[in-house]
Amino acid sequence: GAGVSQSPSNKVTEKGKDVELRCDPISGHTALYWYRQSLGQGLEFLIYFQGNSAPDKSGLPSDRFSAERTGGSVSTLTIQRTQQEDSAVYLCASGLSGTETGPQHFGDGTRLSIL
Amino acid sequence: LAKTTQPISMDSYEGQEVNITCSHNNIATNDYITWYQQFPSQGPRFIIQGYKTKVTNEVASLFIPADRKSSTLSLPRVSLSDTAVYYCLVAQNTGFQKLVFGTGTRLLVSP
Repeated sequence: GAGVSQSPSNKVTEKGKDVELRCDPISGHTALYWYRQSLGQGLEFLIYFQGNSAPDKSGLPSDRFSAERTGGSVSTLTIQRTQQEDSAVYLCASGLSGTETGPQHFGDGTRLSIL
Repeated sequence: LAKTTQPISMDSYEGQEVNITCSHNNIATNDYITWYQQFPSQGPRFIIQGYKTKVTNEVASLFIPADRKSSTLSLPRVSLSDTAVYYCLVAQNTGFQKLVFGTGTRLLVSP
């Protein structure tokens, strides 16, 4: 079946601009995660959505970062006033959650480059 | 969250069996062990998950000793396409599953 889909696959923008990154999770998955991966580094957790509950925003690096998930499905990660240190691959993952969570399934990410 | 330690890199040849060991001395009772594979320009791909003893699927086997302080991912008869970074993670398997990825093990398979 269809996996996690992210768009755009690549985004180049100028410092100071706002960007929106989109994630379409696997149908039926109630949990949705955003991560960031910098060059040669492991993944850094950003934010977690579970159903209609308030998201866990504990990983967001600054108030320039925000995310929403509409209708318990599609999610958008927004970065305002981008900085060069925001350049990274932004990965979205979805999974089941509850009494048995199971593994997270990742999209291929959006490669964000800030000039 | 339990910290994991795994080798930075490993080399192998086509057709060989590869075993990657991960240490997780502080694993909690309700933690599961999960392995992911990541190719360049792709997101991590789930390989296998286990709690104790041995788990096998069509891709790999996962061996977990009784004390659960380590685990070994076994890839039978690797091919060039198995060249990737392999991540070992430990996390609870209920509710919010905040995965902590380290730098992983870079496996290079040569002809």
